[in-house]
This record gives sequence, structure tokens and C-alpha cells, in this order.
Amino acid sequence: RKEVEQDPGPFNVPEGATVAFNCTYSNSASQSFFWYRQDCRKEPKLLMSVYSSGNEDGRFTAQLNRASQYISLLIRDSKLSDSATYLCVVSSSGSARQLTFGSGTQLTVLP
Amino acid sequence: NAGVTQTPKFQVLKTGQSMTLQCAQDMNHNSMYWYRQDPGMGLRLIYYSASEGTTDKGEVPNGYNVSRLNKREFSLRLESAAPSQTSVYFCATTLRELYGYTFGSGTRLTVV
Repeated sequence: RKEVEQDPGPFNVPEGATVAFNCTYSNSASQSFFWYRQDCRKEPKLLMSVYSSGNEDGRFTAQLNRASQYISLLIRDSKLSDSATYLCVVSSSGSARQLTFGSGTQLTVLP
Repeated sequence: NAGVTQTPKFQVLKTGQSMTLQCAQDMNHNSMYWYRQDPGMGLRLIYYSASEGTTDKGEVPNGYNVSRLNKREFSLRLESAAPSQTSVYFCATTLRELYGYTFGSGTRLTVV
């Protein structure tokens, strides 16, 4: 089983739609959680951290459910510029503090 | 702009050739990482360096070596390139893991 699992998509949604991505992780000791965004042929960039109480940044809302080891990202009022791959990221197992990346969910927002 | 600089951006190697991928950061961070990204696999950690003078293996270290030359620079060497090492390589750095990573723009490597 992969440490971090995501639905690869693709998700094709019309502009203005609300879309949600889910992610599950296997290491119950994970402490840090993130969503990254990666544009085609570019490097991943931090979109937002995910906090236990849930957090919001403009049109983006992230939720964490530690009991179910589940993370979600909600995008409201989708823009064309939101088209990208969204990577779920958690701190990995082991003594070293590293991040483990999911394979990503591809989103295309259509005009 | 402050950040992470990787060179080269593109490289084609023949099987058996060697090369070094360079990474430099001007963010004064202690931790640096080398990842490879393959389609459908996500980013996989090759090696990391928690501080100057230390390096450790990640998930997929075979076929690679690294050098943490100083606080700024962390290089990745392929001694004898193989087609299986065709990938996109990213260098990353962080002050602390809980803050997330900053990535370089990547090196696209093809081994023929």
C-alpha cells in the first residue's frame, strides 16, 4: 500500500464549479500535512498547509481527519488558472523528518 | 529571486555516462533533498541532507551519490547512467519540515 494515495483523476470541471479532492495516508504518526500545486512541466509549489481544525485560504479549504487518516481539498468558484495537478503531502515515517508525496490529482477547469 | 537553482535544466546522456546535477539555495536552510518524479509515481526521495556535512539515503538511492559541498550546495551524481534513470529530478530545501519545501525548477534527464 502506498503511504499517500490520491485519485489520479483527471477531474474536468466547468469554470465556477466546486471541486473536491481526497487523499488518504497510511502513517498514523504523520504530523505535517500539505497540499501542493504542480503546473505542467513545472516544480511543485506549496498551496497550503493543512491544520487539524481545518483551514481556508480564499477559495481553497483544507480539512484533516486524523481518525480516518484522510485529507481533503475543496476549491470553490474554479478558475481556468486552477488547472494543475494537486499533490497531497504528509510527513513520512522513520526518524528523519521528510515529506512523502502522493502521485497527484489532475484538474482541468473548462471555459 | 531567493530560492533554489538547479543546473542543467535538460540533459541527454548515453547509457554508462556519468554526470552531476547541481543544486544551490540562497535561503540559508539546513535541509536539502533530491527527488525524482516519474509518471504515475509521484516524487520519490533519492537522498537528503539534514545539515552541512551529513547525507542520508532516501527511498530510491541506488545508482546515485550525493555531496553536500557547503550549506548552499547539494549535488547529485550519476556514476553510470541507465535508461531507468530517465526522469525529472527536483532539488528542494526547507528550514523545517513542518513549513513545507521550496523546490528548484527541475532537471529533465533522458538516458538513451
